[in-house]
Amino acid sequence: RKEVEQDPGPFNVPEGATVAFNCTYSNSASQSFFWYRQDCRKEPKLLMSVYSSGNEDGRFTAQLNRASQYISLLIRDSKLSDSATYLCVVNIPTPGLTGGGNKLTFGTGTQLKVEL
Amino acid sequence: EAGVAQSPRYKIIEKRQSVAFWCNPISGHATLYWYQQILGQGPKLLIQFQNNGVVDDSQLPKDRFSAERLKGVDSTLKIQPAKLEDSAVYLCASSPRPGGHLHFGNGTRLTVT
Repeated sequence: RKEVEQDPGPFNVPEGATVAFNCTYSNSASQSFFWYRQDCRKEPKLLMSVYSSGNEDGRFTAQLNRASQYISLLIRDSKLSDSATYLCVVNIPTPGLTGGGNKLTFGTGTQLKVEL
Repeated sequence: EAGVAQSPRYKIIEKRQSVAFWCNPISGHATLYWYQQILGQGPKLLIQFQNNGVVDDSQLPKDRFSAERLKGVDSTLKIQPAKLEDSAVYLCASSPRPGGHLHFGNGTRLTVT
């Protein structure tokens, strides 16, 4: 099983739709999680951190399900400008590493295309 | 604050040649990462530094890749000799602490022919 798995998509949705992505992780000891957004031929940028209690930022909601070991990202009222690849990042405890023993591991990304 | 600086932006080389990339992290960020991103995939960690020490280089192909961060600030990543499969974007990122969220540079797009 991969450490971090995402459905690569693409998800093609009409403008105004609600879309959700999931990301599963294999290490139950993982403690921190992030969603990054990457536009075509650009570097990834932090979209939001994912907290145990869930968190919301405008049209974006991130949730964590520890029992089933997945995180989710919900985008409401999709805009054309939301078209991008959404990368899930999981902080995986890695015993034996110095400086904290954490390894930030990316999923393959889920491509979203919002259409008129 | 100034972002993570990388150079060059683009590089085209022939297989078996050598190439080097440079990264200057955000001031004060102790943790520096090099990631390789192949088209259609997520970034893959090559090496992580904490100050000038290596934290994790388990996925670095050490027969051809090397990296250093001698003074705990800027870093270089070298490939010698390059292979066709090394064609990718090489992303440098920094963070104030291990496990904190990453600030990426623009990346270096390498094409090996």
